[in-house]
Amino acid sequence: KAGVTQTPRYLIKTRGQQVTLSCSPISGHRSVSWYQQTPGQGLQFLFEYFSETQRNKGNFPGRFSGRQFSNSRSEMNVSTLELGDSALYLCASSSSSHVTGELFFGEGSRLTVL
Amino acid sequence: KNEVEQSPQNLTAQEGEFITINCSYSVGISALHWLQQHPGGGIVSLFMLSSGKKKHGRLIATINIQEKHSSLHITASHPRDSAVYICAVMYGNQFYFGTGTSLTVIP
Repeated sequence: KAGVTQTPRYLIKTRGQQVTLSCSPISGHRSVSWYQQTPGQGLQFLFEYFSETQRNKGNFPGRFSGRQFSNSRSEMNVSTLELGDSALYLCASSSSSHVTGELFFGEGSRLTVL
Repeated sequence: KNEVEQSPQNLTAQEGEFITINCSYSVGISALHWLQQHPGGGIVSLFMLSSGKKKHGRLIATINIQEKHSSLHITASHPRDSAVYICAVMYGNQFYFGTGTSLTVIP
């Protein structure tokens, strides 16, 4: 059974640009959640999607957005990039809810903003 | 204010030692997760707890809801256990993470 796949693994952008990251969950999983990890703030919850609907959202500005497709694949977008957006972005899938279900994490997408 | 506090921040142990990592939280939670992160970034979910105790191999996790405290124990520690261990709590529909405990097990 294939795990959670995130693409791209590494990318470099400049301030003001936008970026789209992709997450393909484990087959059959309907919940995809996204997280940001930085050395200063640690892990922080971005949002969760379930069956194409955003169910929960963390405390991030509107520049951070996401969506989920009918095949459960999810994308997150960050517009007008800032230096502080440099981070490891992780997604996790779950068969039910990210609250009570076991989470399976991808390897992450490491974003560097110059 | 951090809703989740972990201790210790760093821990070095000799192979074979019994290890305990603690997590305290300040809010009423619906569940608590213990996560393991190896160098390079990949995260593995070890346990999800809402009450009591769970055991998987050499790992044991306990939670005391009244005291708002959880512990992760590693018996007979091994160098491959070297990683960062992160506690995460579910409050409402939000995830709050501890800052992690960096464990190094020396052969």
